[in-house]
Amino acid sequence: GGIITQTPKFLIGQEGQKLTLKCQQNFNHDTMYWYRQDSGKGLRLIYYSITENDLQKGDLSEGYDASREKKSSFSLTVTSAQKNEMAVFLCASSSTGSSAETLYFGSGTRLTVL
Amino acid sequence: GDSVTQTKGPVTLSEGTSLTVNCSYETKQYPTLFWYVQYPGEGPQLLFKVPKANEKGSNRGFEATYDKGTTSFHLQKASVQESDSAVYYCVLGDREGGSAKLIFGEGTKLTVSS
Repeated sequence: GGIITQTPKFLIGQEGQKLTLKCQQNFNHDTMYWYRQDSGKGLRLIYYSITENDLQKGDLSEGYDASREKKSSFSLTVTSAQKNEMAVFLCASSSTGSSAETLYFGSGTRLTVL
Repeated sequence: GDSVTQTKGPVTLSEGTSLTVNCSYETKQYPTLFWYVQYPGEGPQLLFKVPKANEKGSNRGFEATYDKGTTSFHLQKASVQESDSAVYYCVLGDREGGSAKLIFGEGTKLTVSS
């Protein structure tokens, strides 16, 4: 088995601030993902990476940057936090990124922007 | 494009009663269908997946049949327990433009009272 660790669990920032969320996995999976979870809207893909140093934009990439410097880690940066933005950001990984594979999720980072 | 529509929650049931969460999908491809479950404070985790049409998936008393004719993948359980209280996501895994794509339904929050 393995685990996905997201840090921090709670993140409070100011409007306009650049904020970074981190994710580590020890599954030795190739593909990692960042999803945003808003109440009543399901999960929406922000970025994904199929291997170290690879980055692919999802449907919701505007306002975000990502970085995959090591196979085991994937960071997400909110480039300019918006006031009243509240969401849970979920990191996930899968073995090769096939559409039939299981995703393994972390427990999330809850973002609040004041 | 691909889409997933599921029962809009919240759903509240008494322990011992039966559950159906409807899920309908639209795609021109041959997807894998998943049900994920998310308990409070955790990330989603796989309940089960079905890669082929006309097959059934099951786990922990939950089951769903991949019905290509009606494009449905309804989640059912004969007798729910308090521990089943969670958010349930119907997910379609497909390929688009050579890349894997996962489409999440909006989620259905289930509360089971004793």
